[in-house]
Amino acid sequence: AQSVTQLGSHVSVSEGALVLLRCNYSSSVPPYLFWYVQYPNQGLQLLLKYTSAATLVKGINGFEAEFKKSETSFHLTKPSAHMSDAAEYFCAVTPGGYQKVTFGTGTKLQVIP
Amino acid sequence: DADVTQTPRNRITKTGKRIMLECSQTKGHDRMYWYRQDPGLGLRLIYYSFDVKDINKGEISDGYSVSRQAQAKFSLSLESAIPNQTALYFCATSDGGAGGIQYFGAGTRLSVL
Repeated sequence: AQSVTQLGSHVSVSEGALVLLRCNYSSSVPPYLFWYVQYPNQGLQLLLKYTSAATLVKGINGFEAEFKKSETSFHLTKPSAHMSDAAEYFCAVTPGGYQKVTFGTGTKLQVIP
Repeated sequence: DADVTQTPRNRITKTGKRIMLECSQTKGHDRMYWYRQDPGLGLRLIYYSFDVKDINKGEISDGYSVSRQAQAKFSLSLESAIPNQTALYFCATSDGGAGGIQYFGAGTRLSVL
């Protein structure tokens, strides 16, 4: 069985500041890990995906995440927040194959001008 | 046109009514999913289907049923709606690749009075 824990349901940062959204996972096998973003009144869309090819994964809109097996973490970062980054972010995990995806509870990012 | 289309986008219904939410996709994917989103709870899987003849219960299937009419169509029914089924519902698709990316519809906001 797999699970995902996102620390902090709400995160506020100033425009231009570092964005750090935390995700810890549990998986009995090497996992596939994802970050999805949900803008207001929209469905989720993929931000980035870890597939074991590289521990540092770059995504869209300047976001990246680092897979740390020893810490079972997959935190999402962006060096400089932009107003358009205000959204809800979901971490997700799956063992792959015919297994379902498990989503975290989400973190709402607020960007303060 | 959207790759994953959900209808209706908004629905208000009364307790005890039967309601159907529809989902169609043009991605050509075999795998389809229904999730519900509640504040603070993230996305929870209701049902999923890995091909037309395959239907599986998710973590919260009680009170719901599904029908996979074709590769492109996957509908969700609430046989007798109750107020705690008020939520945002998402349909998603994915390809069969390892750790496949999920593609979401825009959601259906359902209110049960």
